[in-house]
Amino acid sequence: QVQLVESGGGVVQPGRSLRLSCAASGFTFSDYGMHWVRQAPGKGLEWVALISYDGNSKYYADSVKGRFTISRDNSKNTLYLQVNSLRAEDTAVYYCAREVASIFFDYWGQGTLVTASS
Amino acid sequence: QSALTQPASVSGSPGQSITISCTGTSSDVGGYKFVSWYQQNPGKAPKVMIYDVSNRPSGVSNRFSGSKSGNTASLTISGLQAEDEADYYCSSYTSDNTRVFGGGTKLTVL
Repeated sequence: QVQLVESGGGVVQPGRSLRLSCAASGFTFSDYGMHWVRQAPGKGLEWVALISYDGNSKYYADSVKGRFTISRDNSKNTLYLQVNSLRAEDTAVYYCAREVASIFFDYWGQGTLVTASS
Repeated sequence: QSALTQPASVSGSPGQSITISCTGTSSDVGGYKFVSWYQQNPGKAPKVMIYDVSNRPSGVSNRFSGSKSGNTASLTISGLQAEDEADYYCSSYTSDNTRVFGGGTKLTVL
């Protein structure tokens, strides 16, 4: 069965960096585009970033462009999100999600909480 | 990359029908068939309920239906049940190959 398991969240000081990971299993990871979506406490979903199946194309929300980097290692079936210059407004649960050809998210991870706090 | 516009809340009694709207622009909702809807229960990951405007994934009740007119998509839930109480989000593909979500709608079953 398809599984997506995020890790790497925690309490980090504003201005610092962290890397989130999403371990995929139960499907051919290298066949799918993958996304990061976040949700601030008590708020709605916000799309963050997309990486193509082969890693050659990447897209970002304006709110994170220049600070976040999405990447993947298809040999390790793992998706990453490098978060730099963390801000208070980046505090959220970060989900990884698989996208299918009809452009919707069919599987989501359970999320990892990132808290920017000194 | 402005969020799609959804009502903050809707409510209905068991057995009734409700509709949640999702308004965007010609660069997202109005320009493509790639509109999807997600149900999210507290503390849980979202679950897709509708994709490609009006298609239901396997396992989703046929009480859920979707449509689109111009720049506005809609999710209708008929025969409302207590278990439908949740937050609902629309999402769309955009002209710059990014994705955008609506602000979310809290559905209360009275």
